[in-house]
Amino acid sequence: NAGVTQTPKFQVLKTGQSMTLQCAQDMNHNSMYWYRQDPGMGLRLIYYSASEGTTDKGEVPNGYNVSRLNKREFSLRLESAAPSQTSVYFCASSEMIGTAFGYTFGSGTRLTVV
Amino acid sequence: GQQLNQSPQSMFIQEGEDVSMNCTSSSIFNTWLWYKQEPGEGPVLLIALYKAGELTSNGRLTAQFGITRKDSFLNISASIPSDVGIYFCAGPPGGGSQGNLIFGKGTKLSVKP
Repeated sequence: NAGVTQTPKFQVLKTGQSMTLQCAQDMNHNSMYWYRQDPGMGLRLIYYSASEGTTDKGEVPNGYNVSRLNKREFSLRLESAAPSQTSVYFCASSEMIGTAFGYTFGSGTRLTVV
Repeated sequence: GQQLNQSPQSMFIQEGEDVSMNCTSSSIFNTWLWYKQEPGEGPVLLIALYKAGELTSNGRLTAQFGITRKDSFLNISASIPSDVGIYFCAGPPGGGSQGNLIFGKGTKLSVKP
């Protein structure tokens, strides 16, 4: 099925470890996004890529880096994981940034940092 | 920054009841989007609204774009157990149609069979 695919679905890290969350979309969308979701906080934008070759910080970028590998793929890296980064991470894509048609989300990666 | 305020934060209702929730902002929005997130999944777009006063339906769901352009409402009629989830409003801030979407904190709906 067409959509946004995230891997892995679950991950447990020790404080200080690094990891990369992968995201790929097959809808030929130009823009891609990484959000984190915490209880009672809604969805907060970490980084986004308006188009291939560009990335920009969102609301909560500290502790993260991103790479827009190509038009399909947008990865999120935690260089040195901290317990405060325990969260559910969602990747999303859209035809263009802020499109009135909304974003298509992946099913999420549940990350626990101990 | 701009915020979207959703109310109520949570609702516990009996199957068959109607549900109403809303989303407000101190700033004007030109587009309102309503998403539903089921447990363990990402949000899915339910309804998009593009014009002040617009009323749009999707099955048992009806959403309205407030005439002040600072609010939107979502109603669910005759609720069923599969309506359970978190409902988010969202929109591109700044009165335009561009810019990253901002999301409300959600209304969590629980339905008792």
